[in-house]
Amino acid sequence: KAGVTQTPRYLIKTRGQQVTLSCSPISGHRSVSWYQQTPGQGLQFLFEYFSETQRNKGNFPGRFSGRQFSNSRSEMNVSTLELGDSALYLCASSYDGGANTGELFFGEGSRLTVL
Amino acid sequence: GQNIDQPTEMTATEGAIVQINCTYQTSGFNGLFWYQQHAGEAPTFLSYNVLDGLEEKGRFSSFLSRSKGYSYLLLKELQMKDSASYLCAVYMGGGSYIPTFGRGTSLIVHP
Repeated sequence: KAGVTQTPRYLIKTRGQQVTLSCSPISGHRSVSWYQQTPGQGLQFLFEYFSETQRNKGNFPGRFSGRQFSNSRSEMNVSTLELGDSALYLCASSYDGGANTGELFFGEGSRLTVL
Repeated sequence: GQNIDQPTEMTATEGAIVQINCTYQTSGFNGLFWYQQHAGEAPTFLSYNVLDGLEEKGRFSSFLSRSKGYSYLLLKELQMKDSASYLCAVYMGGGSYIPTFGRGTSLIVHP
């Protein structure tokens, strides 16, 4: 079956702009979670959506938001971009949020560069 | 709070065995897992430990001691393709399954 698909793969924005990233989970998976990966901080949890509801949220400012649609596809938005938002944004899907098996299926990420 | 420590970088020789350690301090615990991430690629799942002990899966094994807040990933018969970053992550307690990741261990396997 098809894996987790993230679009766009690469994008460049300038400070103050906003960006929307998209994630299509594996068919049948109801949980989608988002992560920010940087060399300095590693992989950090942003939020998780399950059946269109935000179930968990990490310690990121309100500029970072997301949503999930009825077909489980998810988007995340970052408003008023800052230089420090430059990172690889990873999406992961699972049937149950990883609670039973711990297994998350990651997409290849969207690499955002903020100039 | 939570803190996860693992070595930043390790090197090993093809065919050898390497052990990557991970220590954690969390308020509650719901499981520990390991992921492998090759440069420029998505992380892929390796193992998940909830109970103490050793879980073996082919050339890879993972060990957990909850009382010591300690885990290790053991890679046997190293191959060049095992050169990657290995991420240790913990699910905190309290009913939420929010994974907290360590910063990863970059393993370099040389001939």
